[in-house]
Amino acid sequence: NAGVTQTPKFQVLKTGQSMTLQCAQDMNHNSMYWYRQDPGMGLRLIYYSASEGTTDKGEVPDGYNVSRLKKQNFLLGLESAAPSQTSVYFCASRGFETQYFGPGTRLLVL
Amino acid sequence: AQSVTQPDIHITVSEGASLELRCNYSYGATPYLFWYVQSPGQGLQLLLKYFSGDTLVQGIKGFEAEFKRSQSSFNLRKPSVHWSDAAEYFCAVGPRGLMNRDDKIIFGKGTRLHILP
Repeated sequence: NAGVTQTPKFQVLKTGQSMTLQCAQDMNHNSMYWYRQDPGMGLRLIYYSASEGTTDKGEVPDGYNVSRLKKQNFLLGLESAAPSQTSVYFCASRGFETQYFGPGTRLLVL
Repeated sequence: AQSVTQPDIHITVSEGASLELRCNYSYGATPYLFWYVQSPGQGLQLLLKYFSGDTLVQGIKGFEAEFKRSQSSFNLRKPSVHWSDAAEYFCAVGPRGLMNRDDKIIFGKGTRLHILP
């Protein structure tokens, strides 16, 4: 049972490049989330999805887009990366009550 | 407004000493309550959770937390810390039952625990 997996684990981008962070869960959870974690800021919610096909903005959605075409997958896109998007990104899924986190993707934008 | 406050950004304790990490919340109804731990370079791991019943809940790694409704608090405790407990700890609250579209789990900003040898 893999739980929540994220790819890639580490990525370096140049300003203006685009990329997609991938998240998959095998727990048949309805809800999935994307957070970013920066020093001293805790976890900030970027986007979330209450069910397949639905997405909603969180606290810091600017510069990101998401896609939830399949229940088990939640994709986070950066259309034009900026240095301010250097961060650690965590995906999570939630079943009835508890949220489970992936191992994170460390992103560096130069 | 819904919020979670962890008033201590950093806490330092000696190995073998007792520990209490504070968490206060503001929420419309009694929420589900969680504590997560994050070791350096790792993801968040669930330590314990409170849904209902006994207000003192036991978790992994020897941690426990007490829910106090009157104080809107859910403090984390450990009788004797080990060097391996050095990590960042996050308190979180979430809605009861199946989530509505606007429901989210809210995290505190974390408390970083340092252990002195």
